[in-house]
Amino acid sequence: EPEVTQTPSHQVTQMGQEVILRCVPISNHLYFYWYRQILGQKVEFLVSFYNNEISEKSEIFDDQFSVERPDGSNFTLKIRSTKLEDSAMYFCASIKTGGNTEAFFGQGTRLTVV
Amino acid sequence: AQTVTQSQPEMSVQEAETVTLSCTYDTSESNYYLFWYKQPPSRQMILVIRQEAYKQQNATENRFSVNFQKAAKSFSLKISDSQLGDTAMYFCALTRGSTLGRLYFGRGTQLTVWP
Repeated sequence: EPEVTQTPSHQVTQMGQEVILRCVPISNHLYFYWYRQILGQKVEFLVSFYNNEISEKSEIFDDQFSVERPDGSNFTLKIRSTKLEDSAMYFCASIKTGGNTEAFFGQGTRLTVV
Repeated sequence: AQTVTQSQPEMSVQEAETVTLSCTYDTSESNYYLFWYKQPPSRQMILVIRQEAYKQQNATENRFSVNFQKAAKSFSLKISDSQLGDTAMYFCALTRGSTLGRLYFGRGTQLTVWP
């Protein structure tokens, strides 16, 4: 069964460093998302991506964050200068045709900023 | 604005029993969709069940069913014949029909099924 894969599963980084979180969505899906979940808190939307551009972003997704789909398969989230409060679980998701259809989630990347 | 509220941080149920998880939501949209996602200890989010707001009939998926009360903006999940493997965090979520699939999540309910 096709699945969304994320790498790495866990990343530890020093405050101020750049990190890139990687996702490989399901191959025939068209809509891609990043969410994050700070420990013990709700899952929060970061950004959606469609047709090679950002379609929506939340107030969390500031200039520190960027997304890219460099090669038609990978979908990356870059955090330029990490802060302690960026420590969270980051989930990638993809949807085939948008809106009401099922979002398939990856297993997440746990980011720890020290 | 869209909000999803889950008022039960934790629930527990004995194996084979029935449990109901509560969810209320608020949206000004007329076209929207509601979901229950399960997040087991492996952390991956898995869709349990979904409901189209325009459908009056409650969705069912095997042991899982919902009670969708549109006027009350309530969307509860009933799990029948609970199994140990149902132990997980359950998230209620909403997406507007007008957007490209962005999900709004509740805070989650940790369900523990004990033998």
